[in-house]
Amino acid sequence: SAVISQKPSRDICQRGTSLTIQCQVDSQVTMMFWYRQQPGQSLTLIATANQGSEATYESGFVIDKFPISRPNLTFSTLTVSNMSPEDSSIYLCSARGGPDGPQHFGDGTRLSIL
Amino acid sequence: GNSVTQMEGPVTLSEEAFLTINCTYTATGYPSLFWYVQYPGEGLQLLLKATKADDKGSNKGFEATYRKETTSFHLEKGSVQVSDSAVYFCALLLLTTSGTYKYIFGTGTRLKVLA
Repeated sequence: SAVISQKPSRDICQRGTSLTIQCQVDSQVTMMFWYRQQPGQSLTLIATANQGSEATYESGFVIDKFPISRPNLTFSTLTVSNMSPEDSSIYLCSARGGPDGPQHFGDGTRLSIL
Repeated sequence: GNSVTQMEGPVTLSEEAFLTINCTYTATGYPSLFWYVQYPGEGLQLLLKATKADDKGSNKGFEATYRKETTSFHLEKGSVQVSDSAVYFCALLLLTTSGTYKYIFGTGTRLKVLA
């Protein structure tokens, strides 16, 4: 199974700033995803990171707020822009080897905005 | 619409007790079903899966059977350990009308096992 490394693992940021989270997979994967997990809640899909093209965003999430890059089959970044306290959450990178296979997750980035 | 419903936690058990975490789903078509586990400070890990009706997924003493007639995928373990303390997520994977596969996760059930 794929091993996914995320960094930073946690950060405390000031309101109005932006943070980029990096996600590295140890093998080439077809699909990469970004999720948000708010305290005590389930996972909410932010977007699917498409290699070589713009990410596909879920309802309620926009590119200006959460720009995503995916330059190759093993790497993706998520930027949380112009942060506010409501963005405090865990952000999880995820990857799937095939369209209908098990999904693998990084350990998450715990983000707190003051 | 498609959804996953899990029993609310937290579930608190003594070591060696029997565990059941209920999961039911609503889905069109024939989804695959999964249980993921999230240990403190970590991401989700796949625990077990079942891809068709009557399949039983099992791993690390945990089991779940895909019951199409009751649209359920309850997680069970005969004797829990303190190290099983974690949050457990039920999930389904289905083929959407746009032709892509999509995961839907339940809200998670926190399990706390006391020594």
